[in-house]
This record gives sequence, structure tokens and C-alpha cells, in this order.
Amino acid sequence: ETGVTQTPRHLVMGMTNKKSLKCEQHLGHNAMYWYKQSAKKPLELMFVYNFKEQTENNSVPSRFSPECPNSSHLFLHLHTLQPEDSALYLCASSQRGPNTGELFFGEGSRLTVL
Amino acid sequence: RKEVEQDPGPFNVPEGATVAFNCTYSNSASQSFFWYRQDCRKEPKLLMSVYSSGNEDGRFTAQLNRASQYISLLIRDSKLSDSATYLCVVRREYGNKLVFGAGTILRVKS
Repeated sequence: ETGVTQTPRHLVMGMTNKKSLKCEQHLGHNAMYWYKQSAKKPLELMFVYNFKEQTENNSVPSRFSPECPNSSHLFLHLHTLQPEDSALYLCASSQRGPNTGELFFGEGSRLTVL
Repeated sequence: RKEVEQDPGPFNVPEGATVAFNCTYSNSASQSFFWYRQDCRKEPKLLMSVYSSGNEDGRFTAQLNRASQYISLLIRDSKLSDSATYLCVVRREYGNKLVFGAGTILRVKS
């Protein structure tokens, strides 16, 4: 079993749909992240949760809504997305601390918005 | 200016070659530095941390120059399996916010 699992791996949705991405980590970490990866662009940090509390919202549009019910699970709720939101969405986890350096990523959810 | 800048490449090298990647960062308060590797259609994974004194892990050597805000990765005796995108990553001050470069593509050919 991989340390960080994401579902679904692929998602196609229309602009009026509502869907959710799910992430689960089995590593006992206390911080979880959502990153967006678009073609030829750097990974963009979207949200950070430490001990279930959101500590970072990197100016993400409100059509993306994160939820962290516990330290092991993270969701990204999607509604009224735009075609430019099509990207690979990566979840990651780590131990919170002053020397955090290693993020453990899931395999990502590839989203296509029609 | 991007906070972390890398030459996108691609670097096309023959097996056995030595190749070096560079990365510059703009935030002088950055505290920690890393190289991640991302294979095609896979997630990024930590390759190595970069220490002020420089560090080596087998065929891989990482260097940091804080004065010039510059990080490098040297790969010796390249293998076909080294083909990937190499991501320069910087941690801002204290905490857990990592900033990624766009990556440098390496293709090792036989």
C-alpha cells in the first residue's frame, strides 16, 4: 500500500458539475497539502493543513474548497470550474516541524474540465 | 521574477556523461534546499537535501552558494534510469511551505 493515495486518478467534469478529490495518508504525518501542477509550470501550492487546521491558502479561487476532517484525510471539493483549472492535482503529506523538507506525494488526480 | 528559477532543458546526454543543473532562488531568507525528481507521469520524490557544506550521495552531488543564492546538482556517470525532471525546491524561512522550480528535463540516451 502506497503512503499517500489519491482518488480518483482521472476525472473529467463539466463546468457546472460538483466533484471531490480525495487523499489519504498512511504515514502518521500531521501536515497535508494540495498542489496544482500544470504543463510546463512549477508546482503551485494551494492549501496547507497542519493538525487539521488550514494554515495556508495561496489565493486559491473559492471554486476550490478544501476539507480536512482528520490528520489522515484531505479532500478538495470542486464546483463551477473553468477549463484552465485542468491540471494534475497532487496531494502530499509531511511531518510538521522547523526542518520540514520531505513531502510524500500521492500519484495525483488528473482533472479535465470541459 | 520567479522565486525559484531553473533552466528547463531538455538536457540530452549520452550514458556515462556528467551533467550539471543549476537553480537560483530570489528569497534570501530561504532556509532549506532540496532536489526532487519527477519521472514522467509520476509524482515528485525527494532526491536529496542540499547542505551548506555540499553533500554527495553516490553519483549525485549537491552544492549550495548562499551568497549567490544558487544551488546545483551534479550527476556523474549518467544512467538511462536517470532520465526524469529534476525539481529545485526551497523552503521559506521556518515552517512547511516549499516552493518548487518548474524543473529541468534530463534525457539520458544510449
